[in-house]
Amino acid sequence: DVKVTQSSRYLVKRTGEKVFLECVQDMDHENMFWYRQDPGLGLRLIYFSYDVKMKEKGDIPEGYSVSREKKERFSLILESASTNQTSMYLCASSSDGPYEQYFGPGTRLTVT
Amino acid sequence: AQKITQTQPGMFVQEKEAVTLDCTYDTSDQSYGLFWYKQPSSGEMIFLIYQGSYDEQNATEGRYSLNFQKARKSANLVISASQLGDSAMYFCAMREGLKGSTLGRLYFGRGTQLTVWP
Repeated sequence: DVKVTQSSRYLVKRTGEKVFLECVQDMDHENMFWYRQDPGLGLRLIYFSYDVKMKEKGDIPEGYSVSREKKERFSLILESASTNQTSMYLCASSSDGPYEQYFGPGTRLTVT
Repeated sequence: AQKITQTQPGMFVQEKEAVTLDCTYDTSDQSYGLFWYKQPSSGEMIFLIYQGSYDEQNATEGRYSLNFQKARKSANLVISASQLGDSAMYFCAMREGLKGSTLGRLYFGRGTQLTVWP
């Protein structure tokens, strides 16, 4: 059974903290993605990666960075968390080609 | 401009009836793919159905079918015989690019909240 896991379901952090969100997939997928989901806005792409150590900016990369040191792991980093980064964060992975993305369960991050 | 437009923020349907969720898309690519995902209140994203731009037939998966009208750039999801468990948020998404491209990013619509009532 395919699986994408995220390190936390719920996370509460303070403004200015450095925050790490981890995502691991066990399907040997080349591509990995980080989205944030906000009510009424759908899913917006933050960053994606199509290979180890490779990354591409999505639509809303400001305030975020990513790291992909191993094929199965893709980390999202909030260098200095702000209240407007309170959101649901979803990780996904896919193989090359016209295939669907598989999603993790999401991390609901609250920044106070 | 929005790549994916879902004009129905909310839809209601009675159990056992069919319902259509609208999706229009915008692309100048000849090769693209269209996806529908379901997100129940628990939050996980569940892949439902896929339609490739070159596919001649409309895609079907069980009670789900995709009404693909290429000239109108629409890819509506039809759910037949609705069940209470179909109550969820539904997202339409598009992948552009050549088949086999590594740039597999998806563009998502804002979603439609479907409520099925008994």
